[in-house]
Amino acid sequence: AQKITQTQPGMFVQEKEAVTLDCTYDTSDQSYGLFWYKQPSSGEMIFLIYQGSYDEQNATEGRYSLNFQKARKSANLVISASQLGDSAMYFCAMRMGAAGNKLTFGGGTRVLVKP
Amino acid sequence: GAVVSQHPSRVICKSGTSVKIECRSLDFQATTMFWYRQFPKQSLMLMATSNEGSKATYEQGVEKDKFLINHASLTLSTLTVTSAHPEDSSFYICSARPPTGGRNNSPLHFGNGTRLTVT
Repeated sequence: AQKITQTQPGMFVQEKEAVTLDCTYDTSDQSYGLFWYKQPSSGEMIFLIYQGSYDEQNATEGRYSLNFQKARKSANLVISASQLGDSAMYFCAMRMGAAGNKLTFGGGTRVLVKP
Repeated sequence: GAVVSQHPSRVICKSGTSVKIECRSLDFQATTMFWYRQFPKQSLMLMATSNEGSKATYEQGVEKDKFLINHASLTLSTLTVTSAHPEDSSFYICSARPPTGGRNNSPLHFGNGTRLTVT
């Protein structure tokens, strides 16, 4: 069975600085996808970034980048130039297979950006 | 972009009553939708997979008679919490994945969630 672990329950980050959110996963499958979602206090789930298991380059989307280390089974999210609006819960999730739809979520990391 | 709409956003009901939550895909057809449950300060836990035209698939430990799922059309799935009790109070959120067009990086899109409080 697949498992996603986020070891940081909460983090403070100074505005304009970068922050790295840890995510490790466990699977025996060769084909899988890794996602990061942001959940503000309002509750909606906002898709941030995706990394496929066969992608050779680390994914980037604006201020978000994913540090994918396949051998270590880690997919850390890096948020650069933090903004106050980045304060939220962040969830790492894994989808099994290229065409799978089910997501398994990690426990989440709460980020608070300080002015 | 793909939008999933969920209604209501908040509901308070009395113990013993039933509550229906709707999840609609607004600009795409979804043969499959997913229902998640999230307790305060916890992660999302998949409850069931809603399949258009057939029975829902429930995750282990989820009572199918308690959480009734109906996927009546390609754009609508409903979750009914029957005979609700205070322990059913939670945040329920649905999701769907637009047709991928062969793209593996197509994410699940989520509704805004429903906060259920059973008194």
